[in-house]
Amino acid sequence: DGGITQSPKYLFRKEGQNVTLSCEQNLNHDAMYWYRQDPGQGLRLIYYSQIVNDFQKGDIAEGYSVSREKKESFPLTVTSAQKNPTAFYLCASSPGGGRSYEQYFGPGTRLTVT
Amino acid sequence: QKEVEQDPGPLSVPEGAIVSLNCTYSNSAFQYFMWYRQYSRKGPELLMYTYSSGNKEDGRFTAQVDKSSKYISLFIRDSQPSDSATYLCAMRKSNYQLIWGAGTKLIIKP
Repeated sequence: DGGITQSPKYLFRKEGQNVTLSCEQNLNHDAMYWYRQDPGQGLRLIYYSQIVNDFQKGDIAEGYSVSREKKESFPLTVTSAQKNPTAFYLCASSPGGGRSYEQYFGPGTRLTVT
Repeated sequence: QKEVEQDPGPLSVPEGAIVSLNCTYSNSAFQYFMWYRQYSRKGPELLMYTYSSGNKEDGRFTAQVDKSSKYISLFIRDSQPSDSATYLCAMRKSNYQLIWGAGTKLIIKP
């Protein structure tokens, strides 16, 4: 089955700890994205990557970091510098050639920081 | 002012009704207009996309874009309880960035 996997589904951390969220895709897509979803708000772009070993900041990159060492993988680290990290995090991928309108999402990771 | 405005609802309608979901936007540079459906605790999935003004139909779903009014709509005919979900509009700002509405929660009552 082709798709995007995110793990874990639920994650609990203490304030001040860094945490890494996993995202893997086997759709052979060039582009990958990380979004944050908060109640009553649309998806907000954290980081995106158009190609391996390259990524760009989205609208709310502060306190987050990413890497893209393999086409299939785009992990997101939520650092202790992120002021309000509790949220639902969604990873997505899309084919290349400007087809960013066609995004495929993973099931999401719900992060709770206390 | 947000670039994309969408009423969060909830919108509750009886089964079989025609549903109308809407978004307005302010950036005339947007070209692609998408509707995604998101079930509770799941990732969104693409329902439909349109490039230009006009209507696009896919089964019970019709997407409508009016660029002159900066207004897009999604119509669902013969609504079913399985259509209950949050519907997100999205618009493409650049080759790799979408701008999202807040999502409208739709409830179809049997």
